[in-house]
Amino acid sequence: AQSVTQPDIHITVSEGASLELRCNYSYGATPYLFWYVQSPGQGLQLLLKYFSGDTLVQGIKGFEAEFKRSQSSFNLRKPSVHWSDAAEYFCAVGGSGATNKLIFGTGTLLAVQP
Amino acid sequence: GAVVSQHPSRVICKSGTSVKIECRSLDFQATTMFWYRQFPKQSLMLMATSNEGSKATYEQGVEKDKFLINHASLTLSTLTVTSAHPEDSSFYICSAARDRANYKVNTEAFFGQGTRLTVV
Repeated sequence: AQSVTQPDIHITVSEGASLELRCNYSYGATPYLFWYVQSPGQGLQLLLKYFSGDTLVQGIKGFEAEFKRSQSSFNLRKPSVHWSDAAEYFCAVGGSGATNKLIFGTGTLLAVQP
Repeated sequence: GAVVSQHPSRVICKSGTSVKIECRSLDFQATTMFWYRQFPKQSLMLMATSNEGSKATYEQGVEKDKFLINHASLTLSTLTVTSAHPEDSSFYICSAARDRANYKVNTEAFFGQGTRLTVV
């Protein structure tokens, strides 16, 4: 079955500290992987995506993620968190083709302490 | 480029009435659009896949007669919640995939801003 697991429901980090949000997936074919961020009451903004090639992907706002096929993981990282990074983060997996149907994880709510 | 506009952003309606939500791709064509529903503090659940010029494909458990989807053009899909009830109150989000010429490579989905529906 296709699924995405985000083990951490809620994470709190101090401003300036490093961040890693975990994402594991189960997908029968070559996965296309995404990280989205959602501010309260807003839509989703794409942070980064992995389709193929270099397994370390750079995104916007200083985020990066590493695809590890052997671990079925696509963890999101940021070396130094800013207060404006507080939001909900969703990992998603999809397949090839124009239909782009995405399966989302349950999300990780990030709080940033001053 | 690649902007998806969703309207309205918020709507309050009376129980028993119908509400229409629009999803437009402003600067690209989208053969396929997707409608998601998000309950408070939960993830996005795909409701249906909207296909231009054909019937929508609904996910299991989604009532097609209640959630009417029309994709009349390559830039517009609408979701109509018919005979809305308080349990239909939720955050509805659409997304559109920007088509590529070869249709072999997936592309990112661009999301609308979402619509907060409250049924009273």
